[in-house]
Amino acid sequence: ETGVTQTPRHLVMGMTNKKSLKCEQHLGHNAMYWYKQSAKKPLELMFVYNFKEQTENNSVPSRFSPECPNSSHLFLHLHTLQPEDSALYLCASSQEPGNWGETQYFGPGTRLLVL
Amino acid sequence: AQSVSQHNHHVILSEAASLELGCNYSYGGTVNLFWYVQYPGQHLQLLLKYFSGDPLVKGIKGFEAEFIKSKFSFNLRKPSVQWSDTAEYFCAVNAQTSGTYKYIFGTGTRLKVLA
Repeated sequence: ETGVTQTPRHLVMGMTNKKSLKCEQHLGHNAMYWYKQSAKKPLELMFVYNFKEQTENNSVPSRFSPECPNSSHLFLHLHTLQPEDSALYLCASSQEPGNWGETQYFGPGTRLLVL
Repeated sequence: AQSVSQHNHHVILSEAASLELGCNYSYGGTVNLFWYVQYPGQHLQLLLKYFSGDPLVKGIKGFEAEFIKSKFSFNLRKPSVQWSDTAEYFCAVNAQTSGTYKYIFGTGTRLKVLA
């Protein structure tokens, strides 16, 4: 199943670097999501986009900057991150956000390590 | 605030043993309930979901879950596990908040099945 792809799969960056994570969905969905998965914590929803418009920002620090140029692509731009930002970043898509019984389809994630 | 609790963080079983993973949620309104699974090196994917009707839901690979509204629970079961069931299992609730439905995930249960 390669409905949602993410690149890179692994990323190591210093605190002063700028990098971007990319997500692409091939499912014809209208909604895309960024989640953060840290050890021993629930998946944390970061951002939601519906038809390219950001509909949710879950109090995410400004050092994370999302971009959604179209319904199939989603980016997460990273700058001046902290070591505690090290985690697995998951992208997901669904037909539309906030619908009853909506199933989300996840990508494989980008494992980020901030040194 | 809504939350999802998975009480078992790590479970180790031998093949053919029966499995039950607990999931409790805190939300008084109408919910949809999901179990997602993440096999080693693979994407998070849907295992089964409940949104109405029969509270006993059957999913892929012989898994089932029972929604008990009075207990706010949605426990996952399998009568006889296989080595290939080794994975991390996430319970999730899709609940209405401020007019839209949001996903809330549990912390996950890591299952290891010994051959």
